[in-house]
Amino acid sequence: LAKTTQPISMDSYEGQEVNITCSHNNIATNDYITWYQQFPSQGPRFIIQGYKTKVTNEVASLFIPADRKSSTLSLPRVSLSDTAVYYCLVGAYNNAGNMLTFGGGTRLMVKP
Amino acid sequence: ETGVTQSPTHLIKTRGQQVTLRCSSQSGHNTVSWYQQALGQGPQFIFQYYREEENGRGNFPPRFSGLQFPNYSSELNVNALELDDSALYLCASSFKGSYEQYFGPGTRLTVT
Repeated sequence: LAKTTQPISMDSYEGQEVNITCSHNNIATNDYITWYQQFPSQGPRFIIQGYKTKVTNEVASLFIPADRKSSTLSLPRVSLSDTAVYYCLVGAYNNAGNMLTFGGGTRLMVKP
Repeated sequence: ETGVTQSPTHLIKTRGQQVTLRCSSQSGHNTVSWYQQALGQGPQFIFQYYREEENGRGNFPPRFSGLQFPNYSSELNVNALELDDSALYLCASSFKGSYEQYFGPGTRLTVT
């Protein structure tokens, strides 16, 4: 699985757009990029997944440049409840067991 | 649709004892994975089960074992508990091959 690098922490204010960038220089052709969110004392929650270009859902957008060596999770108009740890994961679908390899994640603090 | 549930919520054990943690998968999911999350770190993959057989394993010793039952519920067993086993244990269910995994709230295990 490709190694990922994310900022350790970020601060933002309510109503702002937050962009968290993840580097994955060794991403393989079959790898997808997946983001999870985790609140304290809870299990991670799937946010979004993409392969290339841009993916948008009701929660976030994921921007992936053509070389796929990085990706950016964009959270529009954050609120206090978006304070959490965000994990970027890279890996491929396979039938041998899809283990999720979590790094340290990015701790996002949203302030009033 | 019922989400992933885990029991117990909290557990305190003594070093050398054995523990069994339980997980009920989300309805329709056929794969269950277990993760260990130490305080301040990302979850670490322990193993995954599909069709009642282990389908992938992380870097954990054999004293960590599991079972998956025909109704897709699952158990994690840890023998000869060590102090470093103190962590949040997370269960996640999914369809085989999917990176979109649904996590339970976890069991907080404290070994004294």
